[in-house]
Amino acid sequence: NAGVMQNPRHLVRRRGQEARLRCSPMKGHSHVYWYRQLPEEGLKFMVYLQKENIIDESGMPKERFSAEFPKEGPSILRIQQVVRGDSAAYFCASSPDRVNTGELFFGEGSRLTVL
Amino acid sequence: ILNVEQSPQSLHVQEGDSTNFTCSFPSSNFYALHWYRWETAKSPEALFVMTLNGDEKKKGRISATLNTKEGYSYLYIKGSQPEDSATYLCAFSAGNMLTFGGGTRLMVKP
Repeated sequence: NAGVMQNPRHLVRRRGQEARLRCSPMKGHSHVYWYRQLPEEGLKFMVYLQKENIIDESGMPKERFSAEFPKEGPSILRIQQVVRGDSAAYFCASSPDRVNTGELFFGEGSRLTVL
Repeated sequence: ILNVEQSPQSLHVQEGDSTNFTCSFPSSNFYALHWYRWETAKSPEALFVMTLNGDEKKKGRISATLNTKEGYSYLYIKGSQPEDSATYLCAFSAGNMLTFGGGTRLMVKP
């Protein structure tokens, strides 16, 4: 059973470009979470999705950031018109149920560098 | 904003020492408290998920306790080994998602 797969592992973008980060959850998991780790900081919650639905996006910046988890295919975190402050490691995690009953399984992260 | 605090931020111990870390979290709206182990260049891996006040969980030389009424959890490592070197994260759930603490970075010297 493959773990949570994230790609790309490393992404370099120039200011103003778009970044798309993909996350394939573990097989059988329908809950996906995105977290961001800024340099020298801890993991900060961004968004929680279930298939085709955004459940909680309280941690998402109001502009330029969006997330989806379609019926088929991976979850996508999209950052439009990137700025240097978006440089961070973005981690995806999945679970078969809500976090109140079971652990999260993390991917190895996607490291975005904005030049 | 939920505050999850971990102390100490970092810790250096000798091989064979026993050690413990603290996680403090809000005592209201508690659903679950998670502990994760995060090795450099890898992804966080779950150690424990605790839901009941007074819970004690153990995995090998690592154990954890939970006090939801006063809002704290302790993680204990008995007889630390160099391979225990990692960042230990706690995370609090008040519903939909986990709020992580800043972590305790443990370094075990041989």
